Amino acid sequence: GENVEQHPSTLSVQEGDSAVIKCTYSDSASNYFPWYKQELGKGPQLIIDIRSNVGEKKDQRIAVTLNKTAKHFSLHITETQPEDSAVYFCAASIGRSRTSYDKVIFGPGTSLSVIP
Amino acid sequence: GAGVSQTPSNKVTEKGKYVELRCDPISGHTALYWYRQSLGQGPEFLIYFQGTGAADDSGLPNDRFFAVRPEGSVSTLKIQRTERGDSAVYLCASSNRGRSGELFFGEGSRLTVL
Repeated sequence: GENVEQHPSTLSVQEGDSAVIKCTYSDSASNYFPWYKQELGKGPQLIIDIRSNVGEKKDQRIAVTLNKTAKHFSLHITETQPEDSAVYFCAASIGRSRTSYDKVIFGPGTSLSVIP
Repeated sequence: GAGVSQTPSNKVTEKGKYVELRCDPISGHTALYWYRQSLGQGPEFLIYFQGTGAADDSGLPNDRFFAVRPEGSVSTLKIQRTERGDSAVYLCASSNRGRSGELFFGEGSRLTVL
């Protein structure tokens, strides 16, 4: 089955700097890659996702890149702010159509601290 | 409410007891997922429902764990003969698979087995 690895496990950056989190996946059939942010005591919340027919996607200060050949994908956060401090999870899934997805498998998480 | 609701938010039980955790998904969401999250770990997949049926239960760790969704809405995760290793936060998520792959999570039920 699918296995998602993620690093680093912890990341500390100065406010205004960039943060990069990297993930790898094992199942070449995976074609949907979401990123979730989890704040203390809350459930994870989707922040951005990418599908395998796209190499890069950007939403304001957040961007994701995907290298299907290498089975790597990354999250980039620019101009970090203290409210970006949280745990970030990458994940992978197989989308068989727009209306049908297999289970979503999560990585172990990266705890990001943004120092004011 | 508008979001996924999970009850109880906290449950403390003794080893060997039976526990039920309830999930009320977002209205109209056809897919419902259960995950288990231990401290410092990512959510671990347990089971997901498409409608009333379990589409994939490959993540259930053993036969002490069982989940139902009899009317295609509310779901209950049932754990028999609880063990200390079952202590974790149990997360429920729902999804409108007709629109996107996004999972909407509840805040979880924290289970502590003494």
